[in-house]
Amino acid sequence: EPEVTQTPSHQVTQMGQEVILRCVPISNHLYFYWYRQILGQKVEFLVSFYNNEISEKSEIFDDQFSVERPDGSNFTLKIRSTKLEDSAMYFCASSEALRGEELFFGSGTQLSVL
Amino acid sequence: AQSVTQLGSHVSVSEGALVLLRCNYSSSVPPYLFWYVQYPNQGLQLLLKYTSAATLVKGINGFEAEFKKSETSFHLTKPSAHMSDAAEYFCAVSGGNNDMRFGAGTRLTVKP
Repeated sequence: EPEVTQTPSHQVTQMGQEVILRCVPISNHLYFYWYRQILGQKVEFLVSFYNNEISEKSEIFDDQFSVERPDGSNFTLKIRSTKLEDSAMYFCASSEALRGEELFFGSGTQLSVL
Repeated sequence: AQSVTQLGSHVSVSEGALVLLRCNYSSSVPPYLFWYVQYPNQGLQLLLKYTSAATLVKGINGFEAEFKKSETSFHLTKPSAHMSDAAEYFCAVSGGNNDMRFGAGTRLTVKP
């Protein structure tokens, strides 16, 4: 069964360092998303991506964040200068279509900023 | 804009008892509604979804949910809880434009 894969499963970094979280969405999906979940809190929307551009982004997704689909299969989230409060589980998701379609989620990358 | 409110951050039931997890939504357009489950150290898995067809939606693992427009609710139920149902459950709403938003989640505990 097709699935969204995320790497790495765990990432530890020092405050101020850049991190890149990687995702391989399901191959025939056209819409891609990043969400994050701070420990014990709700799943928060970060950004959606379609046709090689950002469709929508939340207030969390500031200039420190960027997304890219570098090669037609990977979908990456970059945090330029990590802060302690960026520590969270980051989930990638993809969907085949837009209206009414569920999102398929990866298992997440646990980011710890020290 | 869309949002959901899940009433009760923690719900505890005995094995075999009814499970009821509450979700109310707010949407400026006809909503699409979803319930996801998250087991420890895993991603979110779809339980069921409402997309304007039947108001009573059946999902996996014996769960179902009923869309009630008059009450703006989409509560999740299961007649008989099993130990394996212990997990975090998230209600989500979408207006159909890359805008799925999640509730704060409800942690379900099942006691033997």
